[in-house]
Amino acid sequence: NAGVTQTPKFRVLKTGQSMTLLCAQDMNHEYMYWYRQDPGMGLRLIHYSVGEGTTAKGEVPDGYNVSRLKKQNFLLGLESAAPSQTSVYFCASSRTVAGGPLETQYFGPGTRLLVL
Amino acid sequence: KQEVTQIPAALSVPEGENLVLNCSFTDSAIYNLQWFRQDPGKGLTSLLLIQSSQREQTSGRLNASLDKSSGRSTLYIAASQPGDSATYLCAVMGSYIPTFGRGTSLIVHP
Repeated sequence: NAGVTQTPKFRVLKTGQSMTLLCAQDMNHEYMYWYRQDPGMGLRLIHYSVGEGTTAKGEVPDGYNVSRLKKQNFLLGLESAAPSQTSVYFCASSRTVAGGPLETQYFGPGTRLLVL
Repeated sequence: KQEVTQIPAALSVPEGENLVLNCSFTDSAIYNLQWFRQDPGKGLTSLLLIQSSQREQTSGRLNASLDKSSGRSTLYIAASQPGDSATYLCAVMGSYIPTFGRGTSLIVHP
């Protein structure tokens, strides 16, 4: 049981390049999240998904796109990277008891992205 | 919009002290509140989850309380150890959207 994994662990991009970050979970969780963490800003939600085939915007969605084609995977795409997207990106997942509140969030180890 | 504040931002204490970390939130319409630990360069690890109907949760030397009406939660760490050194974050869950505080950076020195 690997939990939540993220690929890649570290990446350097040039301004304007594109890339996709992959998040995978093997806990059969319905909910998945993408966050970015910046010094002094805490964790901010980029996009989230409440189930396969559904996505929604979080607090800071501009410049990012997401897809959830399979329940276990949540992809975060940067179409044209900017230096302002230099950050550490975390993926998380959680389940919900039917009709009830969300349970514990489980986090991946993070992806460090540097945009030059 | 939900806002989550954690006080203090940083804390340095000698080993053995009992600690209280504070988390306050502006909107009391929450489903649950979660405390996390983050070690440098690592992801977040869940410590305790308190549902909105609960008042507290305990795990080992950790005790978290929740007062929804006043918009506050505290994380109590008993008999602190150097291994407790990390950043502690609280997250408030409203509907599907979690809101995080900026964390308290804790150093416990021998």
